[in-house]
Amino acid sequence: DSGVTQTPKHLITATGQRVTLRCSPRSGDLSVYWYQQSLDQGLQFLIQYYNGEERAKGNILERFSAQQFPDLHSELNLSSLELGDSALYFCASSVFDRDTDTQYFGPGTRLTVL
Amino acid sequence: AQKITQTQPGMFVQEKEAVTLDCTYDTSDPSYGLFWYKQPSSGEMIFLIYQGSYDQQNATEGRYSLNFQKARKSANLVISASQLGDSAMYFCAMREGGYSTLTFGKGTMLLVSP
Repeated sequence: DSGVTQTPKHLITATGQRVTLRCSPRSGDLSVYWYQQSLDQGLQFLIQYYNGEERAKGNILERFSAQQFPDLHSELNLSSLELGDSALYFCASSVFDRDTDTQYFGPGTRLTVL
Repeated sequence: AQKITQTQPGMFVQEKEAVTLDCTYDTSDPSYGLFWYKQPSSGEMIFLIYQGSYDQQNATEGRYSLNFQKARKSANLVISASQLGDSAMYFCAMREGGYSTLTFGKGTMLLVSP
């Protein structure tokens, strides 16, 4: 158990809908990262927050957004869902934002868009 | 060009034998970190081992060791005395200096047979 929690574990929804994925980082970790894992794209970085502020952005679609709250939990919002958004979404956390900081991953949320 | 290359889509090993999973990387940054993660069939991503670019010695964590050859830009994972529970997908990842994100390879599926 990494100490990172993600809810829900599974999510099935329809095209055009909006969903929210939730992540609680390990106790004491300030940095939260979101990654998407799909069969065709592999593991891709989406976005990072550090102590409530957006720190880095990767291949995140405009239909996707995220935020980190004062209690450091984070939410990833996916809207106008398409079939291609079906994937495993991971949240990871690290203590700070240094090169040496290990990112610990949550169990993931498996999103299926029908 | 791919930043992380894992050339072995699949590897087979017998229980109790050692196995090496290959990883080569591409960066011009002198400061970087290399990580290995394990993803069992249940889906979670488990951190295994970390090697910093300035580390003089190869990293070791229990049965895992990282064969770091800086001049060749390789960071191979060695698992000694394989166990059935080692059957999983293994990902090599890199974090470059100044960036907080991890870039992952496509992974190697390891199957350990009795």
